[in-house]
Amino acid sequence: DIQMTQSPSSLSASVGDRVTVTCRASQSISIYLNWYQQKPGKAPKLLIYAASTLQSAVPSRFSGSGSGTDFTLTISSLQREDFATYFCQQSYNIPYTFGQGTKLEIK
Amino acid sequence: VQLQESGPGLVKPSQTLSLTCTVSGGSISSGGYYWTWIRQRPGKGLEWIGYIYHTGSTYYNPSLTSRIIISSDTSKNQFSLKLISVTAADTAVYYCARGDRVGLNNWFDPWGQGTQVTVSS
Repeated sequence: DIQMTQSPSSLSASVGDRVTVTCRASQSISIYLNWYQQKPGKAPKLLIYAASTLQSAVPSRFSGSGSGTDFTLTISSLQREDFATYFCQQSYNIPYTFGQGTKLEIK
Repeated sequence: VQLQESGPGLVKPSQTLSLTCTVSGGSISSGGYYWTWIRQRPGKGLEWIGYIYHTGSTYYNPSLTSRIIISSDTSKNQFSLKLISVTAADTAVYYCARGDRVGLNNWFDPWGQGTQVTVSS
């Protein structure tokens, strides 16, 4: 299985901050990498697919980049509603696998 | 499109977990989508279980393939998960989701709200 490792596992930040979450794959996965946001008690929501394509209706402050093994999710200016847990997911190989999550908390 | 999971919240060890996902706002028999089950175990993150394509083809996580069956009922616009011989390790929130694909990239959107299943005697 392809292992997906996110860093950091948790992050404290303030409204207006620029934050970056990293996801590393245990082997090259081209651009087959997706990002999700999950709020407590809710299902994950797709933010970005194919490493950098913003899902419809997702605010443009979210962006994704990377290819191969290293990927980043960036939030350019944190809003209160962005405090949540973020997961990456690879679809290069079955079984599709997820990172362990990065919890973004209010400082 | 909206998805909604249903099924028992408590299953005894060694028994079979059975969940159904009801899809509204779109047909599961229309082409191109992968009707998916994913679970989130406490402290273990998200785990892809498997999916059924509109043709009826199924793809399972190899770690679970000996214990799972995913099927669909197009007349009810539902798809289902059966997981046999459950143990406490199968305790999780189970989500159904629609899988979409471009090339090799497969993502999941939207998801159902999730249903908690606890395995305990």
